[in-house]
Amino acid sequence: DTGVSQDPRHKITKRGQNVTFRCDPISEHNRLYWYRQTLGQGPEFLTYFQNEAQLEKSRLLSDRFSAERPKGSFSTLEIQRTEQGDSAMYLCASSLAYPSYNEQFFGPGTRLTVL
Amino acid sequence: AQKITQTQPGMFVQEKEAVTLDCTYDTSDQSYGLFWYKQPSSGEMIFLIYQGSYDEQNATEGRYSLNFQKARKSANLVISASQLGDSAMYFCAMRLMNRDDKIIFGKGTRLHILP
Repeated sequence: DTGVSQDPRHKITKRGQNVTFRCDPISEHNRLYWYRQTLGQGPEFLTYFQNEAQLEKSRLLSDRFSAERPKGSFSTLEIQRTEQGDSAMYLCASSLAYPSYNEQFFGPGTRLTVL
Repeated sequence: AQKITQTQPGMFVQEKEAVTLDCTYDTSDQSYGLFWYKQPSSGEMIFLIYQGSYDEQNATEGRYSLNFQKARKSANLVISASQLGDSAMYFCAMRLMNRDDKIIFGKGTRLHILP
């Protein structure tokens, strides 16, 4: 399978715990994006990388959130000291940088539930 | 501010009928792209169709077509000959080419196809 993969698919954690999600993009894609989707809403942009460089961070990404893409391949999204408001689906997407009209291919998402 | 508006939270359509999902967008940028994604109950985001702001012809992909009216800033999705498998959430989205590379999503329309 050459699509975008995410791990885990589901995560249940207690408030205050740290969680880490992983995203493996399509291998030749140099751009990788993280989005958050809450129930009944469209995905909201969190951050994106071009290769290993983090180029944009949304104001939604508080200090408790950090994302990395150390070798320009897979990426991790860590949430520290989780809060109930962090419960959401976390979507990863990848694309080529050029041409700019290339669609973003989405992974299946990680559904986080904070108790 | 950049914004996508989908005014139809839910729609019910008889199988085999055509359906139009509304989308209006707000941007002062001249260079942008408009997308439609489908999200079934399984959660993955499936790319359907793309329209560039400089494209003179409406985009078509199989049973999907995008009715692009630039002056009205609308990008409605038309699904011809609807099928039961079309039941899903549908998101309209916009990508600004000359700014950060994020995609801005609308809140979505839930489409129900009736047998």
